[in-house]
Amino acid sequence: DSGVTQTPKHLITATGQRVTLRCSPRSGDLSVYWYQQSLDQGLQFLIQYYNGEERAKGNILERFSAQQFPDLHSELNLSSLELGDSALYFCASSGGGPGDTQYFGPGTRLTVL
Amino acid sequence: AQSVSQHNHHVILSEAASLELGCNYSYGGTVNLFWYVQYPGQHLQLLLKYFSGDPLVKGIKGFEAEFIKSKFSFNLRKPSVQWSDTAEYFCAVRVDSNYQLIWGAGTKLIIKP
Repeated sequence: DSGVTQTPKHLITATGQRVTLRCSPRSGDLSVYWYQQSLDQGLQFLIQYYNGEERAKGNILERFSAQQFPDLHSELNLSSLELGDSALYFCASSGGGPGDTQYFGPGTRLTVL
Repeated sequence: AQSVSQHNHHVILSEAASLELGCNYSYGGTVNLFWYVQYPGQHLQLLLKYFSGDPLVKGIKGFEAEFIKSKFSFNLRKPSVQWSDTAEYFCAVRVDSNYQLIWGAGTKLIIKP
């Protein structure tokens, strides 16, 4: 158990819908990262937050957005869902320094029908 | 753009065989290097990491990796694999103290009992 929690574990929804994925970092970690893992694209970094502020942006679509709240939990919002958004979405947390190890949560499996 | 290559997408070995998984990156500056493992149905876990110092790094579960700067490589090794090593292995690189990691495509390792 890494100490990072993600809810829900599984999500099934229809195209065009909007969903919210939630992540709680390890106790004491200030930084949260979001990743998408799909069969064809592999593991893709989406976005990073540090202490409530966006710190780095990767291959995140405009239909996707994220935020980190004062209690340091984070939410990833996915809207206007397409079939190709079906993937495993991981959250990771770290202390926030560039040398810090990222600890991964169990992931949320999103299926868009 | 920086990239990470894991040339072997699938590797099948028998128990007790020796393992070497390749990882090459394309960047000439300062790098931090990581190997993560994802066991079936589980989240990503850190196996080992290299930041500086001795280029031979020892990790958990008997794994080690060697950083060869001249070859831009960070290959993962284990002298004798076990069935329980069946998993997907990911190499990741952080460049110039950026916060995001650049990930390889992963290598699926299957150990035959």
